[in-house]
Amino acid sequence: QQQVKQSPQSLIVQKGGISIINCAYENTAFDYFPWYQQFPGKGPALLIAIRPDVSEKKEGRFTISFNKSAKQFSLHIMDSQPGDSATYFCAASEAGNQFYFGTGTSLTVIP
Amino acid sequence: NAGVMQNPRHLVRRRGQEARLRCSPMKGHSHVYWYRQLPEEGLKFMVYLQKENIIDESGMPKERFSAEFPKEGPSILRIQQVVRGDSAAYFCASSPVTGGYGEQFFGPGTRLTVL
Repeated sequence: QQQVKQSPQSLIVQKGGISIINCAYENTAFDYFPWYQQFPGKGPALLIAIRPDVSEKKEGRFTISFNKSAKQFSLHIMDSQPGDSATYFCAASEAGNQFYFGTGTSLTVIP
Repeated sequence: NAGVMQNPRHLVRRRGQEARLRCSPMKGHSHVYWYRQLPEEGLKFMVYLQKENIIDESGMPKERFSAEFPKEGPSILRIQQVVRGDSAAYFCASSPVTGGYGEQFFGPGTRLTVL
């Protein structure tokens, strides 16, 4: 059973465009929602994270939008660049113990 | 300040052999998590350890897999009698805290190939 559902599986965006990746969860006990970026052959690296007490968090070109009532959260990458081409994973955790990851979104930013 | 280190980076084993994967957490981190990643899939939680203790092993297969994090030395993920289905990338992550939204820092992974 997939605890965190992620979409789309792949995404192609023009340089300068907005990339949007969505995740949904069922367990209302989740209280930490990070996004990870992974380049080929590398381990995932934390990009940005949010807790359910806020609806939005922005760091540079990256923004997380969180909808607690809908149990959904999304990653927005503004002004997407070719260097952003990577696989992005959302995750959710309860009390920071076990992390449940989405299946990943392969993002390609076309110059 | 070195990051999370994993070795070997690549490991090839024949069916029935044992695989030992090592993970050295970041300095000062006492919490280690192991994940498995199959091609085109996300990371699947396997086990969460603190020094000398297994906190949560709910993601570990019941047979052939074991993990430890001794008082001294790296954390070890051990797979006995490997089968082709064990071929995957295995990542460990470390964290300085738990229960407090501590960021997990991932290592570069060990890619296991079972022939």
